[in-house]
Amino acid sequence: GAGVSQSPSNKVTEKGKDVELRCDPISGHTALYWYRQSLGQGLEFLIYFQGNSAPDKSGLPSDRFSAERTGGSVSTLTIQRTQQEDSAVYLCASSLRAAGQETQYFGPGTRLLVL
Amino acid sequence: AQSVTQLDSHVSVSEGTPVLLRCNYSSSYSPSLFWYVQHPNKGLQLLLKYTSAATLVKGINGFEAEFKKSETSFHLTKPSAHMSDAAEYFCVVMWSSASKIIFGSGTRLSIRP
Repeated sequence: GAGVSQSPSNKVTEKGKDVELRCDPISGHTALYWYRQSLGQGLEFLIYFQGNSAPDKSGLPSDRFSAERTGGSVSTLTIQRTQQEDSAVYLCASSLRAAGQETQYFGPGTRLLVL
Repeated sequence: AQSVTQLDSHVSVSEGTPVLLRCNYSSSYSPSLFWYVQHPNKGLQLLLKYTSAATLVKGINGFEAEFKKSETSFHLTKPSAHMSDAAEYFCVVMWSSASKIIFGSGTRLSIRP
């Protein structure tokens, strides 16, 4: 079956612009996760959704970052007024539900470069 | 505080020899433990997971890992390395709350012909 998909696969933007990253989870997966992978920080957990709700937003690096999920499916991660340090690979994952033992299935990522 | 430590940033072995990638965690609670692999320009793929069942977990591609509670370790092993095993490996620890997820810093595995 189809896996997790993310778009765009690559994004180059100018400092100060807003960007929107999209994640389509596996059908039927109620939990969705966003991560950031950068050279300086390794793999960093950002936020997760159970259904349309995000119980814990404390992993978002700043108030320029926001995420939403509608219809229990697609999620968008928005970065406002991008900075060069936002350059990274943004990974999305989904699982059947948000529980400790659930396997997460990862998308291919969006490579963001802020010039 | 909860943490995950991958003791080696880079491991290099010869093809056909054993692989050992080390992972230790610190926590007061029993977590779920995962190993993920990331090949160049590819997404993260689950290798195996431990969720309080058998302490020796078998995964894909001949990998296995043993959960040792007394040592708070979850080391990844493979008896005989293959060239296709060259990749980045991440140890991941997750607690009952899905927001408590910590990735190790990763170990890059290189295979010499």
